[in-house]
Amino acid sequence: GAGVSQSPSNKVTEKGKDVELRCDPISGHTALYWYRQSLGQGLEFLIYFQGNSAPDKSGLPSDRFSAERTGGSVSTLTIQRTQQEDSAVYLCASSPAMAGELFFGEGSRLTVL
Amino acid sequence: RKEVEQDPGPFNVPEGATVAFNCTYSNSASQSFFWYRQDCRKEPKLLMSVYSSGNEDGRFTAQLNRASQYISLLIRDSKLSDSATYLCVVNGAGTALIFGKGTTLSVSS
Repeated sequence: GAGVSQSPSNKVTEKGKDVELRCDPISGHTALYWYRQSLGQGLEFLIYFQGNSAPDKSGLPSDRFSAERTGGSVSTLTIQRTQQEDSAVYLCASSPAMAGELFFGEGSRLTVL
Repeated sequence: RKEVEQDPGPFNVPEGATVAFNCTYSNSASQSFFWYRQDCRKEPKLLMSVYSSGNEDGRFTAQLNRASQYISLLIRDSKLSDSATYLCVVNGAGTALIFGKGTTLSVSS
């Protein structure tokens, strides 16, 4: 498809388990963002990749969160030892340029029991 | 001070009304400004970029005031389909794009 693809679309896990969320950006887009959105809340910035530059990790809420982007394309967000407060929709977005229009995936809804 | 702040609303207006939203940002070095729209349980989508001289797209007008560090969105002749959450987006202290929490608009007939 031509859009940003995220998987899984829904993930239910038990507290303490690790989860991996995947994002396939639009081909050729150099910028990739991860945000999370809790129910009824705004988008919270997590991490930003731009080309080959070091990622901006300033939004990661704790060291349980990490992300990587392999080959400048696919990105994986990993949450270790999940907590109930991690429950949210995790949104990935890509952009053809730094600070350009963001194209979002449909999100991965994470529920931690 | 939060990087991007918006009045959460909700703004409840009748069809045909004019409504304005404001957004303030903390980083005086910010260069990129946008308004996004998010429908319930959907991903955000770009509504319009905001340029220094102000810009208009149909019923929508966006303005930037660098001195006071705020941007605005004006919607004229509101339609039922305008009901959504409007998100102010600014590039932050680095270059990452930071979203405000959004302003909810409900247009009724």
